[in-house]
Order: sequence, then C-alpha cells, then structure tokens
Amino acid sequence: GAVVSQHPSRVICKSGTSVKIECRSLDFQATTMFWYRQFPKKSLMLMATSNEGSKATYEQGVEKDKFLINHASLTLSTLTVTSAHPEDSSFYICSASGGGFTQYFGPGTRLTVL
Amino acid sequence: AQSVTQLDSQVPVFEEAPVELRCNYSSSVSVYLFWYVQYPNQGLQLLLKYLSGSTLVESINGFEAEFNKSQTSFHLRKPSVHISDTAEYFCAVSEENTDKLIFGTGTRLQVFP
Repeated sequence: GAVVSQHPSRVICKSGTSVKIECRSLDFQATTMFWYRQFPKKSLMLMATSNEGSKATYEQGVEKDKFLINHASLTLSTLTVTSAHPEDSSFYICSASGGGFTQYFGPGTRLTVL
Repeated sequence: AQSVTQLDSQVPVFEEAPVELRCNYSSSVSVYLFWYVQYPNQGLQLLLKYLSGSTLVESINGFEAEFNKSQTSFHLRKPSVHISDTAEYFCAVSEENTDKLIFGTGTRLQVFP
C-alpha cells in the first residue's frame, strides 16, 4: 500500500517552454501533497504544500508564479514549471500524506532544460 | 524551528560489517522521526518511523533505529550490511501532529565487497 506515482520520470524541454509533472496517490486518498526539489548531492528542499481544493502554500523563496501547483482531487496534484530555464533543471519529487503523519514519496522526475 | 543534523556525509563499510548512521535533531516541541532511503535516480522510500510507543523501531530489511529523547538522537543501525544497502539515507523530523518534514543532508552508505 501507500504507492505514489509521478509522470513523466524524465523530461527534456527547450528554454522558455512549460512542463507539467503529475503526482498521483494510487491506493490512498492524499489530503496533503508536497513538492520537493533535490539538487545533486543535496537534501530535499520543500517547495510547497498543497491540500486538496485549496491554494498551495509555498516556502520562502519559491516563486509561486513560476511553479504552479494544482491539487484538484484527493489523488492528483500537478506541478507546472512555467517558462523553464536551464537553472530549473533538477530532480523534482512529490510526496503524499493520507493524514497519518507519514509522507510517501513518488519516484521523482528528472527535468532537463536545454 | 526544527533542524536535523546528519554529521556523516559518507560512510564506507565492508559487506557483513555493522553500521550506524547518526542523526540528531533539535526541536522545542514533541516530534515524529523518520528514516528514508534513496537508491540512485529514484525517489525516497520510507525505511522506518517513530511516532509513539516503543522507542526502538525496526524495518523489514534488518535496520533499526532508537529514539533517544535525552540525546535528541535517532541513529540508524544494522548489524550486518549487504551490497544492496548501498544508497543515500535521509533522516527527517516533523512536529508532532503535523505532516511537514524537515530533512537532514543525507548520508551516503557505500558497502564494499
């Protein structure tokens, strides 16, 4: 149980385009979903927290207009990187919590912006 | 504010040897504690957690961790490691009754034959 999927696993895009990443909880309802960014050999940096049906809460320093988060249902959250630039290249990981104070993580999405 | 310290960025060890990955935290309130493992190019997998009850928690693959409130530690141990345990290990803490995690910087466990 507690499986979280992400799609796509890898994406390469041109600078200036937008990229959407999906995060799904497959076998439980996720009241809260989290989006992280992980730099090489670094820990995870929390970008934002989203609750189903409400606006995401962004961490300090994260541009909400650049990283659009939608949590439309209890099993799906999306992260859209708008007007991506090479510095946005990173490993993006989502996690989901069903209210049991434990986060279950997706496999991550490797974004490369050329 | 909470913080997590993993002092060892890398821990090299030979197969079948014991290992301890250290984790210390700071918090002014009660906490939940977690260890996650990350294999190359993958997301994080929950290894074990402490929410309440017994301070010694175990995983299905032989790891254990003990919550020590007086020392504010949650060290991860395994008596005999395998090559397949090679991975990045992250300690994390959350404030009691919340979901938000604060991660340590990770420890790279490298098991050699």
